[in-house]
Amino acid sequence: EAGVTQSPTHLIKTRGQQATLRCSPISGHTSVYWYQQALGLGLQFLLWYDEGEERNRGNFPPRFSGRQFPNYSSELNVNALELEDSALYLCASSLALTGLVYEQYFGPGTRLTVT
Amino acid sequence: SQQGEEDPQALSIQEGENATMNCSYKTSINNLQWYRQNSGRGLVHLILIRSNEREKHSGRLRVTLDTSKKSSSLLITASRAADTASYFCATDLTGGGADGLTFGKGTHLIIQP
Repeated sequence: EAGVTQSPTHLIKTRGQQATLRCSPISGHTSVYWYQQALGLGLQFLLWYDEGEERNRGNFPPRFSGRQFPNYSSELNVNALELEDSALYLCASSLALTGLVYEQYFGPGTRLTVT
Repeated sequence: SQQGEEDPQALSIQEGENATMNCSYKTSINNLQWYRQNSGRGLVHLILIRSNEREKHSGRLRVTLDTSKKSSSLLITASRAADTASYFCATDLTGGGADGLTFGKGTHLIIQP
């Protein structure tokens, strides 16, 4: 069974530009999560999509947005890039276990560098 | 904000020894999960322990959870060079993934051959 995939692996952008990151969940998973891992800040929850809808977001400005497609793949868009957006962006997908406890399975990440 | 705090920040041991990492958190949780990350790449899920469980095993891994102390520990027995990685605890407050997982800053484990 294929795991969570992300593209691109690396992305270099200039301050002020927009970045688009993509994620394909494990087959059968309907929930997709995005996390940012910035140096010194650790892993922080960004966004949660389930069944095509944004369900929750972490403490990030609106220029971080995304969507989930009918096939449950997801896209993260970061507008008006700032230098501090440089980070590893991780996508995770999940499937509900009994008792509504979820394990999240992570992709390899996209490393975004803003210059 | 960080919910979990791992201790120690870094740990270096000889191959074959046991490695113990601790995690403390601040609020009530539904479950706690441990992940491994190799060289800044994706996270690998290790173990999920629910708030009503006290101990779980998976191969060479043993996780304990003490909800009264809001702490968890990960024990890796008979360590191998391939265990060199960063280990994170992550708390799930609601169990439904609604708030995402809240991660600590991790313990960097180095296994010396």
